[in-house]
Amino acid sequence: AQSVTQLGSHVSVSEGALVLLRCNYSSSVPPYLFWYVQYPNQGLQLLLKYTTGATLVKGINGFEAEFKKSETSFHLTKPSAHMSDAAEYFCAVSHTGANSKLTFGKGITLSVRP
Amino acid sequence: EAGVVQSPRYKIIEKKQPVAFWCNPISGHNTLYWYRQNLGQGPELLIRYENEEAVDDSQLPKDRFSAERLKGVDSTLKIQPAELGDSAVYLCASSPIAAGAYEQYFGPGTRLTVT
Repeated sequence: AQSVTQLGSHVSVSEGALVLLRCNYSSSVPPYLFWYVQYPNQGLQLLLKYTTGATLVKGINGFEAEFKKSETSFHLTKPSAHMSDAAEYFCAVSHTGANSKLTFGKGITLSVRP
Repeated sequence: EAGVVQSPRYKIIEKKQPVAFWCNPISGHNTLYWYRQNLGQGPELLIRYENEEAVDDSQLPKDRFSAERLKGVDSTLKIQPAELGDSAVYLCASSPIAAGAYEQYFGPGTRLTVT
């Protein structure tokens, strides 16, 4: 079984400030981990993913995330928020294999203040 | 390259009416997924197709939901009859064969409102 916990439903930061969105997972096998972004009235877009190898992964739009097995976490960060980062962010977990299934967290809404 | 196409984008129906959603995946993608996203929640898988075969429909409420993927390309998801609790965004996604969960491309979704 696998699950994702995204604590809180809303994060607000000032433009230029650090963005930190938290994600903790549960998986009985080595996980694959993902962050997706969803802009209003649009589908989900993959920001970044961890499968194997380097635990710090870089994605699009300046985002990165670090896989920490000991903490079962995969937090998403960006050093400097931009107004265009305002969106909903979903963490998801899966595992190896073509028959794997994505399990999503509830999502976090990021607001960016001018 | 065209992305995943879904139609309609919005649909408002009265309860007990039927409704259908259509999805055209990215060309060459053999795997197709239908998800339901309730307000304030992440997407939840309803059904997964490998070509024409539904290989995982364990989360599909089969009493009122049905899906088909004729010829292994386009897919239709149907609800009959719709209930108030079916109001949600229905997302379609596709992936290349054997890529599995780590290379899914999502469409914009159909927002269903049941009144």
